[in-house]
Amino acid sequence: SQKIEQNSEALNIQEGKTATLTCNYTNYSPAYLQWYRQDPGRGPVFLLLIRENEKEKRKERLKVTFDTTLKQSLFHITASQPADSATYLCALAASGYSTLTFGKGTMLLVSP
Amino acid sequence: NAGVMQNPRHLVRRRGQEARLRCSPMKGHSHVYWYRQLPEEGLKFMVYLQKENIIDESGMPKERFSAEFPKEGPSILRIQQVVRGDSAAYFCASSPPWNTEAFFGQGTRLTVV
Repeated sequence: SQKIEQNSEALNIQEGKTATLTCNYTNYSPAYLQWYRQDPGRGPVFLLLIRENEKEKRKERLKVTFDTTLKQSLFHITASQPADSATYLCALAASGYSTLTFGKGTMLLVSP
Repeated sequence: NAGVMQNPRHLVRRRGQEARLRCSPMKGHSHVYWYRQLPEEGLKFMVYLQKENIIDESGMPKERFSAEFPKEGPSILRIQQVVRGDSAAYFCASSPPWNTEAFFGQGTRLTVV
């Protein structure tokens, strides 16, 4: 069955460092992959989308890579700030008109 | 441009009652999705609707749950005869027809007592 795995353990880093979060998937051939941020008690907020034919995407301090051979995406936040502390969700879609399948998310804690 | 609006934010129901959750998508969005999130669990897809049509309801339990997105008005997720296991956060998302990113509401937290 399709599986999306994100590190269940919280990632603790110091302010100013680069945070790297991992999303692995099996039994899936996604057309695109998305990353969302979710704060406690709030709905997820879209951050970045990367398509299957793209290797890397950047937006300000965020960078996403997508390796369809390894079936893995890495999500980087450079120069991290305490305000970046949240849970980050990886989501995959089989096509542009299909629904999203989410991982359970990884909590990031950035300490001053 | 208001975002996706869900109401109520919090809903308490006794076992056996009905719960109605409402979702108004962003202006111009014709696709609505409902997800359920249990504590320590990821978002689980329930149903995907377009105006007056259910496109995919593969994630929705066959019994007691129903969803609609009428021509006018919000999308409604209806849970009949609620049980304790229905307690969860229910999120609605909307997207434009070309379906790239999804915009989520703040969710309805349903507590069944």
